[in-house]
Amino acid sequence: AQSVTQLDSQVPVFEEAPVELRCNYSSSVSVYLFWYVQYPNQGLQLLLKYLSGSTLVKGINGFEAEFNKSQTSFHLRKPSVHISDTAEYFCAVSPLSGGYNKLIFGAGTRLAVHP
Amino acid sequence: DAMVIQNPRYQVTQFGKPVTLSCSQTLNHNVMYWYQQKSSQAPKLLFHYYDKDFNNEADTPDNFQSRRPNTSFCFLDIRSPGLGDAAMYLCATSRAVGTTGPYEQYFGPGTRLTVT
Repeated sequence: AQSVTQLDSQVPVFEEAPVELRCNYSSSVSVYLFWYVQYPNQGLQLLLKYLSGSTLVKGINGFEAEFNKSQTSFHLRKPSVHISDTAEYFCAVSPLSGGYNKLIFGAGTRLAVHP
Repeated sequence: DAMVIQNPRYQVTQFGKPVTLSCSQTLNHNVMYWYQQKSSQAPKLLFHYYDKDFNNEADTPDNFQSRRPNTSFCFLDIRSPGLGDAAMYLCATSRAVGTTGPYEQYFGPGTRLTVT
């Protein structure tokens, strides 16, 4: 079985400051890794994904994440946040099996960007 | 633009009164998913369709059913809603897993269900 832990339920940050949202996972099999963003009253949008290859993954809106296999982590970073980045961020894993993409989500981190 | 559409965006139903939520897609994806997201929690997969094949998650209550009459449409039926079923229900679609790994899931805006 797989599980995802997002270590911070809320992260307040000032505009133009850097931010890191932490994600650790547990799995007995290899997994793919994802970060999704959810704006208020909207569905989820894919920010980035790690399937294989380079452990540093770049996504949309200036976000990037680094896969660390030894620490089973996939932390999300942005060097300078904007007010518009205020949203809920979900880390998710998908096991490397099956014909469909089963996503197991973490509980989410609410990023609040203040002026 | 190709997209995932959910109707209605907000639904109020009475305790025990059956309710149906609708999802349609213009992406022509062969996999469609239904997630339940309770307040301040992660989305939880209820079931998915791979073409016409229905796949239920082991812990999805029997109260939840689904229909997929064609590629474009998928419905979530809650036979006897309880207060604990109040949540955001998200529909998503994707292509099937390919040789290079899973394809992205595209989510609709969700239907917020209130049970009175």
